[in-house]
Amino acid sequence: GAVVSQHPSRVICKSGTSVKIECRSLDFQATTMFWYRQFPKQSLMLMATSNEGSKATYEQGVEKDKFLINHASLTLSTLTVTSAHPEDSSFYICSARFDRGSYEQYFGPGTRLTVT
Amino acid sequence: GESVGLHLPTLSVQEGDNSIINCAYSNSASDYFIWYKQESGKGPQFIIDIRSNMDKRQGQRVTVLLNKTVKHLSLQIAATQPGDSAVYFCAENSGYSTLTFGKGTMLLVSP
Repeated sequence: GAVVSQHPSRVICKSGTSVKIECRSLDFQATTMFWYRQFPKQSLMLMATSNEGSKATYEQGVEKDKFLINHASLTLSTLTVTSAHPEDSSFYICSARFDRGSYEQYFGPGTRLTVT
Repeated sequence: GESVGLHLPTLSVQEGDNSIINCAYSNSASDYFIWYKQESGKGPQFIIDIRSNMDKRQGQRVTVLLNKTVKHLSLQIAATQPGDSAVYFCAENSGYSTLTFGKGTMLLVSP
């Protein structure tokens, strides 16, 4: 099956710093990647949709200047949390889709971000 | 039995029982639905999907039922095993090929 990786799996950063999370599709080219955020005991909330080579589309209420998304290649998307605050602490999960006509998404293992 | 916690409903079953996890979806125009399993600290794992032109689909030990009239989806797990313990989410295609996830149900399987 399709494999999606994320790096790092866990990261702790200080308030006010920025942290970058990478999402890679290992065995297929992803035309679209998605970034989700998940708080404890809650569901996945879509943050943004990212198509290779174009600007990401952010969901309502998600600050695009705070959560910078870059999808420079068909196998890599990055999410940068800028000026992190403790309330940004969460589980960030990416997914990838290789066919715009398909609904199926392959999920990464997630990145646990803790802001101190 | 089934109980509702602060955020996540929980279904507790004995090993070997059949489990039924329910999901109500919101968008009558949704045409594709997926069930995911999420273990603690991991990303969601695909279990089974169903398109809106079907009302039942079976996989290995799992069956998904779709009732479009009442916008209800269920996941049946036969002969539940301790390894099935996880949080289960339904997701619907909410337009533009994005997925909207349900609130999730925690399944606890006792040996």
